[in-house]
Amino acid sequence: NAGVTQTPKFRILKIGQSMTLQCAQDMNHNYMYWYRQDPGMGLKLIYYSVGAGITDKGEVPNGYNVSRSTTEDFPLRLELAAPSQTSVYFCASRLAVTYEQYFGPGTRLTVT
Amino acid sequence: RKEVEQDPGPFNVPEGATVAFNCTYSNSASQSFFWYRQDCRKEPKLLMSVYSSGNEDGRFTAQLNRASQYISLLIRDSKLSDSATYLCVVTPYNNNDMRFGAGTRLTVKP
Repeated sequence: NAGVTQTPKFRILKIGQSMTLQCAQDMNHNYMYWYRQDPGMGLKLIYYSVGAGITDKGEVPNGYNVSRSTTEDFPLRLELAAPSQTSVYFCASRLAVTYEQYFGPGTRLTVT
Repeated sequence: RKEVEQDPGPFNVPEGATVAFNCTYSNSASQSFFWYRQDCRKEPKLLMSVYSSGNEDGRFTAQLNRASQYISLLIRDSKLSDSATYLCVVTPYNNNDMRFGAGTRLTVKP
């Protein structure tokens, strides 16, 4: 099992550009999550999904969009990148019956 | 008041020491509690869940005090490999909405 994979590992965007952060898991987990982590801070939940076709907002959803067309994939879309979105983005997944979240290695995004 | 607050540290302790971290949470309706560990520039990994009755896993002991709204993590006989940031995690609204503390950094020195 690869677990949770994220691409790209690093990305530099110009203000106003768009991009999609990819996340995939091969553990057949129903629940998937997107977080951002700013330097010296804890993780903040952006969006989550409890299954294919179902998504919900977390603590900091503004400026982001998600979709969940399959159990395996949960991409995060930034439409108009802003410097405030410079952060490390983590994707995570878990089974419905346990609370342990498995995290991907993260995507380091810089918006200049 | 922040939803989850932790002492940022850093805690610098010698090998073999016992060290304790506390974490306070603001929402008394919070349901689930966890400690995650995060190594430098890596993803967080679950260290242990925190149960109402307290729980132990080897050198690690976690406790919950609902009346005072805090959880604690005790590490006994610290090892060099325990050096990491320890994140307190609480679910104040539902079990999908996990709120992370900013973390407490621990460095164990020889």
